[in-house]
Amino acid sequence: SQQGEEDPQALSIQEGENATMNCSYKTSINNLQWYRQNSGRGLVHLILIRSNEREKHSGRLRVTLDTSKKSSSLLITASRAADTASYFCANGGSQGNLIFGKGTKLSVKP
Amino acid sequence: KAGVTQTPRYLIKTRGQQVTLSCSPISGHRSVSWYQQTPGQGLQFLFEYFSETQRNKGNFPGRFSGRQFSNSRSEMNVSTLELGDSALYLCASSRDGHTDTQYFGPGTRLTVL
Repeated sequence: SQQGEEDPQALSIQEGENATMNCSYKTSINNLQWYRQNSGRGLVHLILIRSNEREKHSGRLRVTLDTSKKSSSLLITASRAADTASYFCANGGSQGNLIFGKGTKLSVKP
Repeated sequence: KAGVTQTPRYLIKTRGQQVTLSCSPISGHRSVSWYQQTPGQGLQFLFEYFSETQRNKGNFPGRFSGRQFSNSRSEMNVSTLELGDSALYLCASSRDGHTDTQYFGPGTRLTVL
């Protein structure tokens, strides 16, 4: 399977703490995208990092990319209860479609 | 700017029936992709249409088909429904496809009885 992997599969933290999710991918990328999904709904795009970038920030989000290790990480700082959701990374490679990982289920307790 | 819309939001069908799902992309977006999401298999790519042409196709049987109209709206059709087709079907639009940010619709929840 070409699917990537997120780790951990589930993460439970307290409000105010930081949450770090990792993603590994198998095939080469043009970009790596992170999405959030609230229970059974559509995916919301969070951030896109291109293969020639190493780090990108957007508000409380920080994404890093290590192409030599085929891995990326998403850091959410000062988490809020509203951040409770599933987070997916997606490989935007040369194959013409996004290849999603299985996701990390984040629970932020107030 | 209006987001991606999908209709219907929920659908219940029985085995053997067929179903058509619709997706209206963001204005100006020419690429529409479809994904199936199930608890077991996760998010899997079905196909992508760009300017009315199927540009990429995932590993799904021929019962799954789609098309795109000149206004970029897209439909996907599933014939001879099976229980395993129960899933959340998501469409995503973008200006240019997978190298670009994808904007997802809310999905159509299909239940096959």
